[in-house]
Amino acid sequence: AQKVTQAQTEISVVEKEDVTLDCVYETRDTTYYLFWYKQPPSGELVFLIRRNSFDEQNEISGRYSWNFQKSTSSFNFTITASQVVDSAVYFCALSEANFGNEKLTFGTGTRLTIIP
Amino acid sequence: KAGVTQTPRYLIKTRGQQVTLSCSPISGHRSVSWYQQTPGQGLQFLFEYFSETQRNKGNFPGRFSGRQFSNSRSEMNVSTLELGDSALYLCASSQGQWNQPQHFGDGTRLSIL
Repeated sequence: AQKVTQAQTEISVVEKEDVTLDCVYETRDTTYYLFWYKQPPSGELVFLIRRNSFDEQNEISGRYSWNFQKSTSSFNFTITASQVVDSAVYFCALSEANFGNEKLTFGTGTRLTIIP
Repeated sequence: KAGVTQTPRYLIKTRGQQVTLSCSPISGHRSVSWYQQTPGQGLQFLFEYFSETQRNKGNFPGRFSGRQFSNSRSEMNVSTLELGDSALYLCASSQGQWNQPQHFGDGTRLSIL
């Protein structure tokens, strides 16, 4: 069965510091997708990025970067030069390859607070 | 392009009542999924509909049901409400393939008194 673990429950950093959110996943499938979502206080889950299991190339998008390592089953997310607007709960999620299976398995989330 | 719309945003019910929540997906999206979010259990998958058919179902009792209409709009119904049903119910839509990102609405916050 699939499982996503976000060991960090809460993180607080001072504005402009870098912060990394950890995500470890478990799956028996060799084909899967990993996602990161952000949930601001308004409640809506905002899609940030997805990565498939065959693409371990790490990516940088502005202040955001992602580190995917299949060897350790990790998909970590880094915010560089954090801003107050980054304060939110961040969720890592897994989707296994199964056409017709639109099910996301979420981690428990990491609450990130950026202190001005 | 309009996002996923959920109505109502807030709802207060009492134990034993039933409730219906509505979700309008992004135009062109044929898949609608429902999730329950609680502080204790986190985000849990309820079910998913594609072209008016339920394709996948999570581990929730039969009191939780849903349907999808021909225009892809979806409703979720919970009967015989219990205190533990208090939660944020999130709806997500996508194009219907497992590797496509799901786009979420703002949710309906249901409180049971």
